[in-house]
Amino acid sequence: DGGITQSPKYLFRKEGQNVTLSCEQNLNHDAMYWYRQDPGQGLRLIYYSQIVNDFQKGDIAEGYSVSREKKESFPLTVTSAQKNPTAFYLCASSIETGGYGYTFGSGTRLTVV
Amino acid sequence: GEDVEQSLFLSVREGDSSVINCTYTDSSSTYLYWYKQEPGAGLQLLTYIFSNMDMKQDQRLTVLLNKKDKHLSLRIADTQTGDSAIYFCAETSENTDKLIFGTGTRLQVFP
Repeated sequence: DGGITQSPKYLFRKEGQNVTLSCEQNLNHDAMYWYRQDPGQGLRLIYYSQIVNDFQKGDIAEGYSVSREKKESFPLTVTSAQKNPTAFYLCASSIETGGYGYTFGSGTRLTVV
Repeated sequence: GEDVEQSLFLSVREGDSSVINCTYTDSSSTYLYWYKQEPGAGLQLLTYIFSNMDMKQDQRLTVLLNKKDKHLSLRIADTQTGDSAIYFCAETSENTDKLIFGTGTRLQVFP
């Protein structure tokens, strides 16, 4: 079955560490996205990528980095520069940007300890 | 920039109808979507409507679009406890290359 997979489901990070969240899709979608969701709040866009080897900053890119070396994969690194990284992170993909619905992964909950 | 707004909470009794409302500012919206998010999960696409339509019905779901007032609603008939979730509306338009999401409405269904 085609879908989008995020791993791990739960992740704990010590202060000052970088961590990488995985997002893989086998839907043959060109566009991929990373969102952050805080309790009681909506989705905020971190980064998005329209094609391989290209990505753009979203609304809250500071303290995060991404890569898009393969069409299927769009990993997100939460760096130590991110001051408040504890949140629920959602990855999504779409056939192309604009005008099409997104398919979402099941999310990764990151907690700083 | 584009903005999408929703009320934060809605509480209904099981068996009643629920109506979740959404307003948006982008007059060139092309598609409007409703997503459902259950606790600890990703978002699931429920339905969508093209901007030249007024209404779309899909089983217990009815979407109404008032393009003049930039108002979108989702009606859930015979609401069940399994409908308890956060509902997001989203829109895309000629002005943007990505979806703009609302803040989400938390629907609570009580017996």
